[in-house]
Amino acid sequence: DAGVTQSPTHLIKTRGQQVTLRCSPKSGHDTVSWYQQALGQGPQFIFQYYEEEERQRGNFPDRFSGHQFPNYSSELNVNALLLGDSALYLCASSISGANVLTFGAGSRLTVL
Amino acid sequence: RKEVEQDPGPFNVPEGATVAFNCTYSNSASQSFFWYRQDCRKEPKLLMSVYSSGNEDGRFTAQLNRASQYISLLIRDSKLSDSATYLCAARSNDYKLSFGAGTTVTVRA
Repeated sequence: DAGVTQSPTHLIKTRGQQVTLRCSPKSGHDTVSWYQQALGQGPQFIFQYYEEEERQRGNFPDRFSGHQFPNYSSELNVNALLLGDSALYLCASSISGANVLTFGAGSRLTVL
Repeated sequence: RKEVEQDPGPFNVPEGATVAFNCTYSNSASQSFFWYRQDCRKEPKLLMSVYSSGNEDGRFTAQLNRASQYISLLIRDSKLSDSATYLCAARSNDYKLSFGAGTTVTVRA
C-alpha cells in the first residue's frame, strides 16, 4: 500500500520564478493538506483541500495556490518566488474527519 | 503568540535514562493532540495521539493537562534510536493541525 508520494524531491529555483509541487495521497485518503517547514521550525499549515475545494487556509500570501484533482491528488503552486520560500514542503493526507495525518517525504525547495 | 510552543532542547541523555519534555498550546478550544517524531531531513511520523486520561505506548507516555494547556512526553529507558526531533501538534478545528518547532533529543552511548 503506497503511502503519500511527493514530487519532485529536490529542486532549485531563482527568485521570481514559479514552482509546482505534486502530491498523491495515501490510498483511501480523500483530504490533502500542505505544510511549509523552514529549517529549524515546525511545519506551518498552508491550506487543505477536500472534494477539490480549498477548505481552510493558513497565513500564507496569495502567491501560494493549490488544486486538488478528482483522483484526490494535489498540486501546490508558488509564484514570484522569494528567498524566504526556501523550505521543505510537506504534503499530508487523511480521511476527512479523521485526526491522523500521514506525511509524504517532502519536496525540498531552494530559492537562489 | 505561537499556537504551540516547545522547549527546543537539545536534551542530551545517556542510554537507559528517562527524558521528559512539555509543549504548551494557546487555543483552549484545541480538541486533539499528538506527538510526531521527525528524523533529520525526513518527514514527521506519528508517534502517538494524546488522550485526556493520558496514554502509554511501550516506553513512551503522553499526558494532557487541559487546565494548564500543556501536553508532555516521557521516554523511559532511552535508546540510541530515540534520537530525533519530537514535534507537538494540536488540532483546533476539523482541518488545521498546528505544530510546535520541535524538541531535539540526543541519546548518547
